[in-house]
Amino acid sequence: GQNIDQPTEMTATEGAIVQINCTYQTSGFNGLFWYQQHAGEAPTFLSYNVLDGLEEKGRFSSFLSRSKGYSYLLLKELQMKDSASYLCAVRSGFSGGYNKLIFGAGTRLAVHP
Amino acid sequence: GAVVSQHPSRVICKSGTSVKIECRSLDFQATTMFWYRQFPKQSLMLMATSNEGSKATYEQGVEKDKFLINHASLTLSTLTVTSAHPEDSSFYICSAPRRGGNEQFFGPGTRLTVL
Repeated sequence: GQNIDQPTEMTATEGAIVQINCTYQTSGFNGLFWYQQHAGEAPTFLSYNVLDGLEEKGRFSSFLSRSKGYSYLLLKELQMKDSASYLCAVRSGFSGGYNKLIFGAGTRLAVHP
Repeated sequence: GAVVSQHPSRVICKSGTSVKIECRSLDFQATTMFWYRQFPKQSLMLMATSNEGSKATYEQGVEKDKFLINHASLTLSTLTVTSAHPEDSSFYICSAPRRGGNEQFFGPGTRLTVL
């Protein structure tokens, strides 16, 4: 089966660092994505990992360990606007010529002053 | 980045009516588009894969006769919720991958409320 786990909610302080973990068990794997989603809006792309290791992009970094089925998203220098849901998604399976994305339930991050 | 649009952004309808939602890729051609549904405080659930010029592929548990998908051109896919009921009230989001790329570009979503 397909299973992607991430914490439901997290809170953090403005200016701090937060790490959001994601573990997955899927029938196939062709990359892991992190998306940010504000309430009532569509997800926006943050990062993509297909090889083990750390990918850094500004205040956001994402790590992948394929052998452990584990990823994390690291957010530095938190800002109030970072309050949102963060979705972990694994590209797995095949449909219409493209791999499908399987999403975790999302982690709602609340940043407070 | 690439742009995907959806129309309408919000729709309220009476139970038993049908609602059509459009998904357009504005600056690239999309032979494949994905339709998701998202209930409050839940994640995106893939409903179906829309393929230009062929039948859609539906995920397990999604009724193909209730959720009609048409992908008539390389830039447009439509989802029609037939005989909508209150339990169909949800946030419907489409996405399209650009050929040769890794990322899926999401539309802004359509909030459907069935009274």
